[in-house]
Amino acid sequence: KAGVTQTPRYLIKTRGQQVTLSCSPISGHRSVSWYQQTPGQGLQFLFEYFSETQRNKGNFPGRFSGRQFSNSRSEMNVSTLELGDSALYLCASSLFSGTDTQYFGPGTRLTVL
Amino acid sequence: DQQVKQNSPSLSVQEGRISILNCDYTNSMFDYFLWYKKYPAEGPTFLISISSIKDKNEDGRFTVFLNKSAKHLSLHIVPSQPGDSAVYFCAAFYNQGGKLIFGQGTELSVKP
Repeated sequence: KAGVTQTPRYLIKTRGQQVTLSCSPISGHRSVSWYQQTPGQGLQFLFEYFSETQRNKGNFPGRFSGRQFSNSRSEMNVSTLELGDSALYLCASSLFSGTDTQYFGPGTRLTVL
Repeated sequence: DQQVKQNSPSLSVQEGRISILNCDYTNSMFDYFLWYKKYPAEGPTFLISISSIKDKNEDGRFTVFLNKSAKHLSLHIVPSQPGDSAVYFCAAFYNQGGKLIFGQGTELSVKP
């Protein structure tokens, strides 16, 4: 069974630009969660999608948004990028809930210059 | 507001000895706790979990202890092996919360 895949793996953007990250969950998994990992902050929960609906949301500004498609694939968008958005963005899939065992992708390393 | 805290950013242990990673939490509603392990350039992988109705759960070399009165959990690795060198995250949730809350992570280095 293929694992969670994320594209692209690395991305360099400049301040003010926007970016879209993609996540393909494990086949059959319907819940997709997104996290931001920065040094000293651990994994900060961004949001969780299930059946194309955002079910839970973390404490991030509205510049961070996401969506989920009917095949459970998910995208995350960050608009008006700031230097502080530089981080590893991780996607995790689980069967039904963000609290089931989560399987993580390798992440997208975003650098904002 | 860091509800799950790992106060040691790093830990170095000799091969064959015990590694003890600690985690504290503030939210008494948490009823399930997990440990994840992360190697560089990979996503975290689930390691072991414990329900709040238990105080210990064991899986091979890995044991998690939960002290609810102290709001503290720990992961013991015995014996430690060089392949255990990774970043370890503890995480917690409660059913109504609907999301996992992670700690900052502890980087474990096991020296041969």
